[in-house]
Amino acid sequence: EAQVTQNPRYLITVTGKKLTVTCSQNMNHEYMSWYRQDPGLGLRQIYYSMNVEVTDKGDVPEGYKVSRKEKRNFPLILESPSPNQTSLYFCASSNARRHTKNTEAFFGQGTRLTVV
Amino acid sequence: GENVEQHPSTLSVQEGDSAVIKCTYSDSASNYFPWYKQELGKRPQLIIDIRSNVGEKKDQRIAVTLNKTAKHFSLHITETQPEDSAVYFCAASTSNSNSGYALNFGKGTSLLVTP
Repeated sequence: EAQVTQNPRYLITVTGKKLTVTCSQNMNHEYMSWYRQDPGLGLRQIYYSMNVEVTDKGDVPEGYKVSRKEKRNFPLILESPSPNQTSLYFCASSNARRHTKNTEAFFGQGTRLTVV
Repeated sequence: GENVEQHPSTLSVQEGDSAVIKCTYSDSASNYFPWYKQELGKRPQLIIDIRSNVGEKKDQRIAVTLNKTAKHFSLHITETQPEDSAVYFCAASTSNSNSGYALNFGKGTSLLVTP
């Protein structure tokens, strides 16, 4: 089954304690991205990756890091989480390639993060 | 960068009525406009999309229209049913951008269909 898998689904952590949210896709997609969803603000892109070892900032990258060592995995790293990073996070992947038609983005099931 | 405005933020209709959600975008280079539905506690899922070379697309009770000149696009749901209740997001994207196909989302419309 084609899917994007995030872990964990729920996480409560304390300010400053490094954490990683994993994301894995089995569709051989080149394009992967991370979004955060906050009430009244919709979905905002944090980081994206167009291929292995190629990552770039989205609209709200401050406080986050990512890596893309393998095509299927795109972890989101919070080196020193703060309460304003409490949010619902979604990983997504698509078959988009430069100068070709954009295509459907498949979302993971979401990770609800609370930083206290 | 691209700015997508979505209206209304909440919409309540009676079962069987139609619902219309409207979005505007700012970047004339945008050429891909998907709509996502997010049910409570679930992930967003694509319900319909339209590309800039098409003015209208329909899939059963759902249709999307695009006006490139005015830079706006709309989602139309006819004969609404309670299971249509969800948050709907519009998005705009371009395959020519250096931003890598970023989906720029509107802030969402919470649709409630009452029996």
